[in-house]
Formats: sequence, C-alpha cells, structure tokens
Amino acid sequence: DSGVTQTPKHLITATGQRVTLRCSPRSGDLSVYWYQQSLDQGLQFLIQYYNGEERAKGNILERFSAQQFPDLHSELNLSSLELGDSALYFCASSVGGAAEAFFGQGTRLTVV
Amino acid sequence: GQQVMQIPQYQHVQEGEDFTTYCNSSTTLSNIQWYKQRPGGHPVFLIQLVKSGEVKKQKRLTFQFGEAKKNSSLHITATQTTDVGTYFCAGNTPLVFGKGTRLSVIA
Repeated sequence: DSGVTQTPKHLITATGQRVTLRCSPRSGDLSVYWYQQSLDQGLQFLIQYYNGEERAKGNILERFSAQQFPDLHSELNLSSLELGDSALYFCASSVGGAAEAFFGQGTRLTVV
Repeated sequence: GQQVMQIPQYQHVQEGEDFTTYCNSSTTLSNIQWYKQRPGGHPVFLIQLVKSGEVKKQKRLTFQFGEAKKNSSLHITATQTTDVGTYFCAGNTPLVFGKGTRLSVIA
C-alpha cells in the first residue's frame, strides 16, 4: 500500500459528460501529480500541485482541470469527455522537490 | 520542454538472460528516478540517481547515471519471471516519464 488513495477505481461514462477523480496523498506529502496512461502508452504528465498551488503543467487539455484543496487532497475534473479520454489516470504524491513519488492504484476511466 | 526517451520499447528475454534499458534526455537532468510497473499495477519507485557517473546496485539490478547527466541505464542480471513489467525512467521536477520499456521473461 503506497498510502495514496484514488477514487473511484473504475468509472464508465458517456461522451460529453463530466467526471471528477479524487486523490488523497500520503500523509505529509505536499506535492500531487496527475498522469494519464493510455493502452501501451507511457505516463503522460498532466499537472502538478504543491501545497495548494499549481506548480507545473504538462500536456493537459483545456477540457481538463485540477485543484488541490487546503487539506491537500486533489481532484482532476474531466469535461466534454471523448472516447479518446478513456485511460488509466494516476495520482502520485511526494514530499516535494525531487523526492520519490508514490502512486495510487489509479482510476480506470472508460468513455462510451 | 523536457523529453525523456527510452529504448527499447519492448524486450523479450529468456529467463536467465540479462536485460538493459536505456534512458536519454534532451536536457541535463538534476536527477533521474526509475520505477517499475507490474502488469495491472501502479508504478513503484526503485531508485534515484543524483550524481554524475553514479552507479547504484540493488541485488541483480544496476543503475547508472551518465557523466553528462543526460542518460541513464538499468541493467538486470539473470532475469527472473518476477522481473516482468514496464520499467520507466523519470527526470527532474516535475517528474516527466519516458514511455517505458516493457520486459517479458520467458520461462
């Protein structure tokens, strides 16, 4: 158990819909990362938050947004969903800086 | 932006053979991390390298960081079926991952 909790584990939704993925980082970790992993693809970096503030942005679509709350949990919002958004979405947390990251079990999103 | 390339993308080996995956960055890295993702699982941290030319070992795994801090390698000696999975390198902050090398081990 990495200590990072992601909910839900599975999500099936229709095109055009909006979903929210939730991540609770390890106790004490201030940094949260979101990644998208499609079939046979690597881990695409989406966005990083540190202590409530956006720290870095990767290849995140405009239809996607995220935030980190005062209690340090984070949410990834995906809207106007398309079939191509079907993927495994991972959240990872670290104490910050260049420290090792701990990954959650992921949320598997299926858009039908 | 920063890019990290990994080769090969796939590698099939006979159990007992050695395996090496290579990671190359377009920019100098302050550090590099390696992760392993088992099939159906999530990435798990293996190691971090920080110093130029650094070499670290974990049992049958040997990790190297290049002198120019632009490349790294992971070498597994005498692979076992438990080594199956995808090995990722990741550089700098934020953690940007390569596409990984998927290792299959044939018993």
